[in-house]
Amino acid sequence: EAGVAQSPRYKIIEKRQSVAFWCNPISGHATLYWYQQILGQGPKLLIQFQNNGVVDDSQLPKDRFSAERLKGVDSTLKIQPAKLEDSAVYLCAGGTGGLSGANVLTFGAGSRLTVL
Amino acid sequence: GENVEQHPSTLSVQEGDSAVIKCTYSDSASNYFPWYKQELGKGPQLIIDIRSNVGEKKDQRIAVTLNKTAKHFSLHITETQPEDSAVYFCAASPGDSWGKLQFGAGTQVVVTP
Repeated sequence: EAGVAQSPRYKIIEKRQSVAFWCNPISGHATLYWYQQILGQGPKLLIQFQNNGVVDDSQLPKDRFSAERLKGVDSTLKIQPAKLEDSAVYLCAGGTGGLSGANVLTFGAGSRLTVL
Repeated sequence: GENVEQHPSTLSVQEGDSAVIKCTYSDSASNYFPWYKQELGKGPQLIIDIRSNVGEKKDQRIAVTLNKTAKHFSLHITETQPEDSAVYFCAASPGDSWGKLQFGAGTQVVVTP
């Protein structure tokens, strides 16, 4: 099966500019997550979607970050205005949801953001 | 909230030797503990996971052990090979959402031939 697709893979912007990242999860994955991975650290959850609804956005800096998942498939993550500390890899991940032994969280390759 | 600590931060082993990475967690409600391998320029890839009703799980050269009483779990890689070189992350998830993972800081494993 195809993996989680993310674009762009790399983006360089200046502080106070805006940027958007796109994610196309694996077909059938109802649950979608965005994680932020700062260099040298583990991924940190930003937001969780179930189909096209937000389940948890408690870790999302809502003054500058926004995310949506239209029609329960593709998702976009936007940052406006960007700060230097937003430099990180933004990882999209998906899964089928539910608490069963078959659940696996599958990550995309990520979008690397550099804010100058 | 959950806090996951991972040690060591770097691990250098000779090819063929074993590697052990240890993690501790704080939230007793956590019941799902996956391990991810991340190679340069790629997203994390699940290599093995364990749930709180199991104490040990093995998959070929990889094994994970869980001690719920002590709140720690470990990854064991035997007969290491150069392709095992990567960053390894442990994670923990609370019972209400298996995909909401709290990750450790990662262990850079270098396997030298």
